[in-house]
Amino acid sequence: EIVLTQSPGTLSLSPGERATLSCRASQSLSSTHLAWYQQKPGQAPRLLMYGASSRATGIPDRFGGSGSGTDFTLTISRLEPEDFAVYYCQEHGSSFGQGTKVEIK
Amino acid sequence: QAQLQESGPGLVKPSETLSLTCTVSGYSISSGPYWGWIRQPPGRGLEWIGNIHHSGTTYYNPSLKSRVTMSVDTSKNQFSLRLSSVIAADTAVYYCARVAGGTNVDYWGQGTLVTVSS
Repeated sequence: EIVLTQSPGTLSLSPGERATLSCRASQSLSSTHLAWYQQKPGQAPRLLMYGASSRATGIPDRFGGSGSGTDFTLTISRLEPEDFAVYYCQEHGSSFGQGTKVEIK
Repeated sequence: QAQLQESGPGLVKPSETLSLTCTVSGYSISSGPYWGWIRQPPGRGLEWIGNIHHSGTTYYNPSLKSRVTMSVDTSKNQFSLRLSSVIAADTAVYYCARVAGGTNVDYWGQGTLVTVSS
């Protein structure tokens, strides 16, 4: 079973700043199997990225994904007010990381 | 565009079996690919429960495998979850989902809160 570890646990940033979120896997996985989600309070998660670097339908291009092997990154180039939320990575449609909360500084 | 809706009791007694059904509309469950259940305890992160292929092949979280059963009913365009011997720690919002290509969840239900309490 692959374990995903996300860091940091909380990221305190201001609107307009760049956010860099990390997801590390306990063993190497195919980049095609890595997805990222955004979740806001009281809502179901929303798919942001799949295949590590492909944006889901309707996701703005300020969101970017990269990585391979065991290290993956979600980048938000310029934070908009609606981007403050919790972000999760997932591998192969199964295990999730514990989440990174992006909060307003 | 697929729409998913969970249904089932919101309160289950300890040691009993939690049963939920997900009704899919706007998409044939027989078209696949995979369908899944995910839960989220209050104030905590997401936990994958398992996935089921429309053919009935299942994949379960090893930590829950002994208590989980998933099934699919293509005639009703539904799939279901049963979790036996529930305890308070099973209290969570339960989401049903479509798992595209078996690798990512592209459609989610709105979630249903199930509380385990006597």
